[in-house]
Amino acid sequence: EAGVVQSPRYKIIEKKQPVAFWCNPISGHNTLYWYRQNLGQGPELLIRYENEEAVDDSQLPKDRFSAERLKGVDSTLKIQPAELGDSAVYLCASSLGDGRGNTEAFFGQGTRLTVV
Amino acid sequence: GNSVTQMEGPVTLSEEAFLTINCTYTATGYPSLFWYVQYPGEGLQLLLKATKADDKGSNKGFEATYRKETTSFHLEKGSVQVSDSAVYFCALRLGGNTGKLIFGQGTTLQVKP
Repeated sequence: EAGVVQSPRYKIIEKKQPVAFWCNPISGHNTLYWYRQNLGQGPELLIRYENEEAVDDSQLPKDRFSAERLKGVDSTLKIQPAELGDSAVYLCASSLGDGRGNTEAFFGQGTRLTVV
Repeated sequence: GNSVTQMEGPVTLSEEAFLTINCTYTATGYPSLFWYVQYPGEGLQLLLKATKADDKGSNKGFEATYRKETTSFHLEKGSVQVSDSAVYFCALRLGGNTGKLIFGQGTTLQVKP
């Protein structure tokens, strides 16, 4: 069974440029998460989807970050414009979802973003 | 607020040594507790979990006990191997329907032959 797939694995961009990350969750998983992991830190939740609905986006910096999950499957996270401080690993995770967030989350390998 | 604190690394051990990585948490309500592991070049993997006080999670020779009285969830292994070298993250998940994981900062383990 394929795990959570993210692309690209690595991305280097200049500041003020836009960037997008893509995530394909495990088949059948209706809950999808985007986390950001700064160097030497643990991941922090940016947004959580239940199917196509963003049910928790309180940590998403909405001035420059946006996300979508059309049709409740794949998801895209976008930054526009990117800033130096956005350099981090962006992790996608998915879970079956019991409506209460109590099922195991499976993580992708992440996208390492470097903003120069 | 809700948070997780882990011992700082890196932790360097010789093969077959005993491992302890300390983890303490602050949370409202009754969280579930987790240990995730990140091997070089790979994504986070769930190592073990415990969902209520006094539960012991175990996997691959690792174990951790949910101690409500000390708000701790220390990771232990009796005899580490070189292949255990990785970054270990302690995390909590609040009760209710958030599904949100709150992670510690991670502890790097290096096991030398």
